[in-house]
Amino acid sequence: GENVEQHPSTLSVQEGDSAVIKCTYSDSASNYFPWYKQELGKGPQLIIDIRSNVGEKKDQRIAVTLNKTAKHFSLHITETQPEDSAVYFCAASSFVWRALTFGSGTRLQVQP
Amino acid sequence: NAGVTQTPKFQVLKTGQSMTLQCAQDMNHEYMSWYRQDPGMGLRLIHYSVGAGITDQGEVPNGYNVSRSTTEDFPLRLLSAAPSQTSVYFCASSYSMTGGTPNNEQFFGPGTRLTVL
Repeated sequence: GENVEQHPSTLSVQEGDSAVIKCTYSDSASNYFPWYKQELGKGPQLIIDIRSNVGEKKDQRIAVTLNKTAKHFSLHITETQPEDSAVYFCAASSFVWRALTFGSGTRLQVQP
Repeated sequence: NAGVTQTPKFQVLKTGQSMTLQCAQDMNHEYMSWYRQDPGMGLRLIHYSVGAGITDQGEVPNGYNVSRSTTEDFPLRLLSAAPSQTSVYFCASSYSMTGGTPNNEQFFGPGTRLTVL
């Protein structure tokens, strides 16, 4: 089955700095890679996703890159703000096996 | 739309008790699933359903049962609760297809925090 590893487990940055979270996956059949943000006491919320036919995707201050050959993908947050503080999860799935396999999460702390 | 709703928000059980965690969605999604979240382990799939009347096991199905009699509802049953089932449980749903393309975008409910003593 699929295995997703996520690093780092915690990340502290100053407001305005950039944050990068990295994930690797094992199953070459995976072709959908979402990123979820989870605030305390809430369910995961999709913030951006990328499919395997695309190398990069941006949405305002958030971007995701995918390297299919190396089987890794990354989340980039620029100009971080205190409200970006949360736990971020990467995940992988395929069109055949729709269930998401999650990474272990990164706790991002943005210091004002 | 209310989205994905889950009840109860919190529950405490004694070992051996049974209970049902409720999940409902009003988006007419075909695909629904249950995950559990434990510290440092991300979310792990328990059971999933691709439509009414169809269910299958995920990564950690032991001790749990599901059924899908309607498109809207996907309850999760704990048959005989054990302390190892102390966790936060999330239900998620998605369309199977969008515009002729398989759709994997899943929407999560707010979760049920379960403690088994």
